[in-house]
Amino acid sequence: KQEVTQIPAALSVPEGENLVLNCSFTDSAIYNLQWFRQDPGKGLTSLLLIQSSQREQTSGRLNASLDKSSGRSTLYIAASQPGDSATYLCAVKSVSNFGNEKLTFGTGTRLTIIP
Amino acid sequence: NAGVTQTPKFRVLKTGQSMTLLCAQDMNHEYMYWYRQDPGMGLRLIHYSVGEGTTAKGEVPDGYNVSRLKKQNFLLGLESAAPSQTSVYFCASSYSALLEYNEQFFGPGTRLTVL
Repeated sequence: KQEVTQIPAALSVPEGENLVLNCSFTDSAIYNLQWFRQDPGKGLTSLLLIQSSQREQTSGRLNASLDKSSGRSTLYIAASQPGDSATYLCAVKSVSNFGNEKLTFGTGTRLTIIP
Repeated sequence: NAGVTQTPKFRVLKTGQSMTLLCAQDMNHEYMYWYRQDPGMGLRLIHYSVGEGTTAKGEVPDGYNVSRLKKQNFLLGLESAAPSQTSVYFCASSYSALLEYNEQFFGPGTRLTVL
């Protein structure tokens, strides 16, 4: 059974610092890994998707890496801003026991950027 | 494009009442999904659909029914609401499954409280 863990559950950093969010998963047989952002009371916004054959993806100040063999992904945020404050979720796509796709979510890291 | 929309945004029910949540997408996606999000837990899949006229059970289907009569709409029904169904419900859609580059797009959520 695929399990996704995100540690820490909460993180506070001063504005301007670079930071790394972690995601680990137990089954390396994945199709892709997706990072989402969720603002309080809002839906999920897709940030980056890394295919299983890729090592990293970049979008602006965000860089996500994937190491399938070790079951880890990181989301790097450069030059953090107060607007980056949100909960960040990672989700891995794999095949369920019934042969269909399954997206397994972590519980997220709540990030606070201190002005 | 509106993307994925959900109605209603909020709802309060009494135990035993019924209701239907509506999800609509204008991206011509084949796959649609219903998730619930509870504190301290990752999003969990309730039901999903791989195309018009099809539905399938996800991880936590008990107490819910779904219908996909039109490609753009996916309905989630609660026949007899229970307090354990108090949650935030998210709908998502994607082009298709079992593809590395496939990503899911999420709606803004419906906050449901069952008293």
